[in-house]
Amino acid sequence: NAGVMQNPRHLVRRRGQEARLRCSPMKGHSHVYWYRQLPEEGLKFMVYLQKENIIDESGMPKERFSAEFPKEGPSILRIQQVVRGDSAAYFCASSAGELRDTEAFFGQGTRLTVV
Amino acid sequence: KNEVEQSPQNLTAQEGEFITINCSYSVGISALHWLQQHPGGGIVSLFMLSSGKKKHGRLIATINIQEKHSSLHITASHPRDSAVYICAVRLWSGGSNYKLTFGKGTLLTVNP
Repeated sequence: NAGVMQNPRHLVRRRGQEARLRCSPMKGHSHVYWYRQLPEEGLKFMVYLQKENIIDESGMPKERFSAEFPKEGPSILRIQQVVRGDSAAYFCASSAGELRDTEAFFGQGTRLTVV
Repeated sequence: KNEVEQSPQNLTAQEGEFITINCSYSVGISALHWLQQHPGGGIVSLFMLSSGKKKHGRLIATINIQEKHSSLHITASHPRDSAVYICAVRLWSGGSNYKLTFGKGTLLTVNP
């Protein structure tokens, strides 16, 4: 599982700052999923992207959160004006095809702490 | 009520013991995943199954679609098996069955 790379591994931001989380999928994978793991809670789906397209963002908070997966480069999860409640582990997964057909591989996660 | 329930929440075992972690779900699914997460670490996919049984080393996963239940077994447990084990299901919901719904996890501690 050397393929799915997330950075940074740990990110500390002050309230009101912006957080940018990056995810490079496994080689050959064009489907990316972002999940959030709040303390003491299970993982929750946030967004599903394919190259240059947002397929499903139904799990994303309506404000301050955005995601992209450009033609070149990693997928980015962007959180503007962070608040303490955004502190969580954010995981990215990628798959070669749609998840119903193939397995997903997860990254190491980015642990965001808002102070 | 969570769509995916795991039991137990916490499990402590002695090295060498046989471990069983259970997962029950309340909706139709197309597949079920068992994942492993070490403290502060990433998530590793252990199994993806939609029927029957799979085995990998000391790990065995079974699923009963009719009873909406899956189990993860670890034989001859070892302290390095200590981790959180997470059950996740892919809902059978037409066009959006790429979404995974997760249980809250089972924290396993294996003592030497």
